[in-house]
Amino acid sequence: QEEVEQDPGPLSVPEGAIVSLNCTYSNSAFQYFMWYRQYSRKGPELLMYTYSSGNKEDGRFTAQVDKSSKYISLFIRDSQPSDSATYLCAMMGAGGTSYGKLTFGQGTILTVHP
Amino acid sequence: DTAVSQTPKYLVTQMGNDKSIKCEQNLGHDTMYWYKQDSKKFLKIMFSYNNKELIINETVPNRFSPKSPDKAHLNLHINSLELGDSAVYFCASSQDRGSNEQYFGPGTRLTVT
Repeated sequence: QEEVEQDPGPLSVPEGAIVSLNCTYSNSAFQYFMWYRQYSRKGPELLMYTYSSGNKEDGRFTAQVDKSSKYISLFIRDSQPSDSATYLCAMMGAGGTSYGKLTFGQGTILTVHP
Repeated sequence: DTAVSQTPKYLVTQMGNDKSIKCEQNLGHDTMYWYKQDSKKFLKIMFSYNNKELIINETVPNRFSPKSPDKAHLNLHINSLELGDSAVYFCASSQDRGSNEQYFGPGTRLTVT
């Protein structure tokens, strides 16, 4: 079993829908929680990150972390065709063996159709 | 101006050959990484260097040897290539080893036939 589990999808939604992407993890040492977006044949780019538990909002994107459940989410409001990409969650610890090392989920392939 | 660049973008080679991939970052970062992304999109760290010093060395066959001539460059040399080495290899950099913000290059798609 992987340290970070993420449903690979694919997920297909109509334009304007609210998208919910999720990851679960097993390593309680993880303190930083990131979401990366990867367009086809490109490198991942950081969308947003959260330290420890809580919510963070950036435009149409909201990241949530529930450390008690070891569960993180990314919500995309008013989804656009340009949001079509693979979304990867990533996690890192603040010390120990997971320090300075991102552990990624498998990525969820999202398609937003007009 | 590309922040993290890799060459080549595509690499097709035969089993048993030796090949190198080069990476350069112009962000002034101290830490650089190599990741491997397999056909199922799993992105796994292989190595990390901080100021030319190897700090992360995951369970990777010793046919893979990273080299950092200076903190702006990190190369990956692969000996005796095998079919299972086919993947996309990404270079990344971050401000320092504790930074969670990593910037990725465009990737090198390696195909071993």
